[in-house]
Amino acid sequence: SQQGEEDPQALSIQEGENATMNCSYKTSINNLQWYRQNSGRGLVHLILIRSNEREKHSGRLRVTLDTSKKSSSLLITASRAADTASYFCATLNSGNTPLVFGKGTRLSVIA
Amino acid sequence: NAGVTQTPKFQVLKTGQSMTLQCAQDMNHNSMYWYRQDPGMGLRLIYYSASEGTTDKGEVPNGYNVSRLNKREFSLRLESAAPSQTSVYFCATDRYSGNTIYFGEGSWLTVV
Repeated sequence: SQQGEEDPQALSIQEGENATMNCSYKTSINNLQWYRQNSGRGLVHLILIRSNEREKHSGRLRVTLDTSKKSSSLLITASRAADTASYFCATLNSGNTPLVFGKGTRLSVIA
Repeated sequence: NAGVTQTPKFQVLKTGQSMTLQCAQDMNHNSMYWYRQDPGMGLRLIYYSASEGTTDKGEVPNGYNVSRLNKREFSLRLESAAPSQTSVYFCATDRYSGNTIYFGEGSWLTVV
């Protein structure tokens, strides 16, 4: 069954605004990853955060992880129309079974 | 350097027909995966192969079989296609389970 649950399901913002997506999960994890999927394409890895890390940055992306709340957030700053995509969190559980993906957040950035 | 290549890209099948989705990777990765993606359901794991010579069931294996032909190739077979198997299928790989996953571009399958 799916581990991560993204929130919101859909988000629409203006270009230049920040976009925040959240992911909640149920069991202990080794790492949590965020992926992006443009329409009609495969998923592309964005960032990985390990269970002993609290925050990571990559360009305009900022990911936080709160293992006590079993949640993570992905912040995209100064969004662009090209950021329009679906964003998925994926968790690696402590048993090292394959990544389990959530259902995704659809982000629309309006120019 | 192609990464992960899936064929075919599009396929229409009649109920009861069989077909095989092919996946090849040139990244020298150990683990390979087949996911299906349905609207509102996210990605669900069908089968995976942690290393050459091993395969394991994922969340939704019923109606599918897989073959890890060698380190590069991992195929997914539908023996008797059903309309419920209409979906987008993604092959993916990573060096070891739990690392960054690299996806193919997807195969759109319609069963009528």
